[in-house]
Amino acid sequence: GQNIDQPTEMTATEGAIVQINCTYQTSGFNGLFWYQQHAGEAPTFLSYNVLDGLEEKGRFSSFLSRSKGYSYLLLKELQMKDSASYLCAGLDSNYQLIWGAGTKLIIKP
Amino acid sequence: SAVISQKPSRDICQRGTSLTIQCQVDSQVTMMFWYRQQPGQSLTLIATANQGSEATYESGFVIDKFPISRPNLTFSTLTVSNMSPEDSSIYLCSVGPGTGIYEQYFGPGTRLTVT
Repeated sequence: GQNIDQPTEMTATEGAIVQINCTYQTSGFNGLFWYQQHAGEAPTFLSYNVLDGLEEKGRFSSFLSRSKGYSYLLLKELQMKDSASYLCAGLDSNYQLIWGAGTKLIIKP
Repeated sequence: SAVISQKPSRDICQRGTSLTIQCQVDSQVTMMFWYRQQPGQSLTLIATANQGSEATYESGFVIDKFPISRPNLTFSTLTVSNMSPEDSSIYLCSVGPGTGIYEQYFGPGTRLTVT
């Protein structure tokens, strides 16, 4: 079956770095997405990886290892506004997104 | 990018009634998706709406309960029929991968409460 696993909740300190991990099993693979969702709002796109390696975009970076079925989202210089849920989603061979349950990130001062 | 609007943004409905949610996209897209997100949960795909054909429903969702229309390439509706409190949720429409748009864009959502 298809499955996305990520931690339920993480806590980090303002100004620090946090890494949110995601492991995936999909029928075929057409890429891995990360989304940010603030409470009461719709998810917004953060990153897309389809090749192995690290993609950097400002304070946020995303890494993919296809051989390990593994990705992580790295957030640097954490700000209070980064408190949100982070959703990992794999794109299968039918171009259907398989969603993880999301990781709630709590930032403390 | 795609800009998506949904109406209504929220509603409180009586058990046994139906609500139709509208989704409008600012560009033509082939595939539109309807999701449900219950409090504290991740996204659950209800169905994929293709223009000119019947919607494709995911396991656990049926057309009689969630009829979908897709009259053109920029618009879709989802009806939640014969509602019960278990249908209380946020309903999101989106357009996404496979349509020529790389990432998936979401509408703001419709927050439904059934009493």
